[in-house]
Amino acid sequence: DADVTQTPRNRITKTGKRIMLECSQTKGHDRMYWYRQDPGLGLRLIYYSFDVKDINKGEISDGYSVSRQAQAKFSLSLESAIPNQTALYFCATSDWARTNNEQFFGPGTRLTVL
Amino acid sequence: AQSVTQLDSHVSVSEGTPVLLRCNYSSSYSPSLFWYVQHPNKGLQLLLKYTSAATLVKGINGFEAEFKKSETSFHLTKPSAHMSDAAEYFCVVSGTDSWGKFQFGAGTQVVVTP
Repeated sequence: DADVTQTPRNRITKTGKRIMLECSQTKGHDRMYWYRQDPGLGLRLIYYSFDVKDINKGEISDGYSVSRQAQAKFSLSLESAIPNQTALYFCATSDWARTNNEQFFGPGTRLTVL
Repeated sequence: AQSVTQLDSHVSVSEGTPVLLRCNYSSSYSPSLFWYVQHPNKGLQLLLKYTSAATLVKGINGFEAEFKKSETSFHLTKPSAHMSDAAEYFCVVSGTDSWGKFQFGAGTQVVVTP
C-alpha cells in the first residue's frame, strides 16, 4: 500500500551528536515536508521541498539541514543535537495537482537529546 | 500571512454527548482548511477538508465542519462522542498565497468520560 515511512521511529542521543532522520514515500508525490511537534505548539514546519531541486526553509530551520536525494526520499539532519531539539518529528508529502493540497503524514520519529 | 487559533486547548465531554471544537483562521486568499486527528502515540489522520466546494463538510467517523467565511471559522462537530474519539485534534489552514504550506493550530485535547 502506498505509504510514508520514517526511520528510525525512536532515537535517544547525546548533546553534540549528528543525527539523521529519514523519510521515504511510495505515493509518487512531488512535495515533501519536515515538521516538529511540541506539546501545546502544534506542528511547526522545519523545511519543505517542492521537487528534487527545490529546498526551502520553514519557520524553525535553525539547527537543521535537509537533503532531497530523490523524489521519494527526504532526510532531516541535526548537525550537533541539543536538548531543546527533543521532539516528535513528522515527515509529510503532498501533490498539488492530485491531492488538492492535502498532506499525508508518516508515523513520526520520537527524538530525545540528552 | 496565515494563522490558526484553536480556541480550546482541552475539551472534556461525556460519551454520547455532542462535541464542539472551535477553530478560527486568517488567510489572505481563499483558504483550504483541514482537521486532523492524532490518537496517542500515533501519526496524523485526516478527518475532513474544505477546499472551496460545499461549506458544510462531512468527514470520517461522524465528524463534520462548517466553513463560515464571514466569521473566519471552521468549527468541528460530532453529534455523539464515542470513547474512541479521545485524541488530539488539529485545525490547519493553507492558502494559495502560501504555496500549499500548512499552518497548524496548537491543538485541542479531547477527553471522553464514560
